Amino acid sequence: DAGITQSPRYKITETGRQVTLMCHQTWSHSYMFWYRQDLGHGLRLIYYSAAADITDKGEVPDGYVVSRSKTENFPLTLESATRSQTSVYFCASSESRDTQYFGPGTRLTVL
Amino acid sequence: GESVGLHLPTLSVQEGDNSIINCAYSNSASDYFIWYKQESGKGPQFIIDIRSNMDKRQGQRVTVLLNKTVKHLSLQIAATQPGDSAVYFCAETSYGKLTFGQGTILTVHP
Repeated sequence: DAGITQSPRYKITETGRQVTLMCHQTWSHSYMFWYRQDLGHGLRLIYYSAAADITDKGEVPDGYVVSRSKTENFPLTLESATRSQTSVYFCASSESRDTQYFGPGTRLTVL
Repeated sequence: GESVGLHLPTLSVQEGDNSIINCAYSNSASDYFIWYKQESGKGPQFIIDIRSNMDKRQGQRVTVLLNKTVKHLSLQIAATQPGDSAVYFCAETSYGKLTFGQGTILTVHP
């Protein structure tokens, strides 16, 4: 049982490039979330989804786009990457929007 | 604004000792609390949760205490082991929104 996986685990890109981070969960959880984790800021919510085709903004959505055509997948796209988007990105899923289960993270560096 | 915070950013203990990690919250409407453990290079891992209608909940070697009067949450780890070394986050839920604290670094010395 894989649970929740993220890919790639590490990514280096350049300013202005488009980058997509993938998230896949095998629990059929309704809710999925994207967070970024930075020193001094803790975990901050970027976007979340309550079900397929339903998404909503979190605390720091600017510069990011999400989609959810299938329950199990929740990709996060940086349309034009900036250095300030260098961070560790975590995907999470939840059945009830209470306890969230996190993936292993993607470490993104924007040069 | 509403926030969840931690009293101690770092905690060092000897193997075998009991550890207590504290968390203060300011949102009186919070109805659900979670403790997460995050090891280096990994995602946060669920440890234990507690609802606001409870004062105490026990798991395997861990206990969470909730004091709603002073808006305080604590995580107790019994017989702390080197594998417990990690960052511990508290999180609270209010109206479906999960808010995380900054984290406490627990270091266990053999």
